Amino acid sequence: GENVEQHPSTLSVQEGDSAVIKCTYSDSASNYFPWYKQELGKRPQLIIDIRSNVGEKKDQRIAVTLNKTAKHFSLHITETQPEDSAVYFCAASIGVGSGGSNYKLTFGKGTLLTVNP
Amino acid sequence: EAQVTQNPRYLITVTGKKLTVTCSQNMNHEYMSWYRQDPGLGLRQIYYSMNVEVTDKGDVPEGYKVSRKEKRNFPLILESPSPNQTSLYFCASSLRGASYGYTFGSGTRLTVV
Repeated sequence: GENVEQHPSTLSVQEGDSAVIKCTYSDSASNYFPWYKQELGKRPQLIIDIRSNVGEKKDQRIAVTLNKTAKHFSLHITETQPEDSAVYFCAASIGVGSGGSNYKLTFGKGTLLTVNP
Repeated sequence: EAQVTQNPRYLITVTGKKLTVTCSQNMNHEYMSWYRQDPGLGLRQIYYSMNVEVTDKGDVPEGYKVSRKEKRNFPLILESPSPNQTSLYFCASSLRGASYGYTFGSGTRLTVV
């Protein structure tokens, strides 16, 4: 099955700096790569996603890049703020079920990002 | 408000006592799934359902059952809970399949003693 590796497991940055979290996946058939943010004691929430036919996607201070050849994708957060502090999860989706939709989403183990004021 | 509702939020039970965690969504989503979250292990998929009456195992299905009799509901059943099922459980739904963004429920923290 799919295996998603995420690095680093913890990341501490100063407010205003950039943060980069990297993930690799094992199955070249994976075609959808979302990122979720989970604040302490709360549910994960989707912050950005990318599909395999796109190399990069941006949304304000957040960007995701995908390298299908190397089977890795990364989350970039610029001008970090204390409210960016959270656990971030990458994920990869695989498996074509009925109607052409994927049936399986595998998560990485998460990165605890701390933004110091 | 569009949401996924899980109940209960917290549950302490004893080994072997059957329990059900309910999950309901009001977004007419086709796909629903259960995950467990454990420290250092991230989110692991237990079961998923592509649509009504269509369910299948995820990566860690042992000791769990699910059913999808209606589109909005996807209960998680632990027939004989054991201490290794102590975890934080999340229900999630998406429009169609796992290649669309998930909406997660608020989570159920289960302790089995």
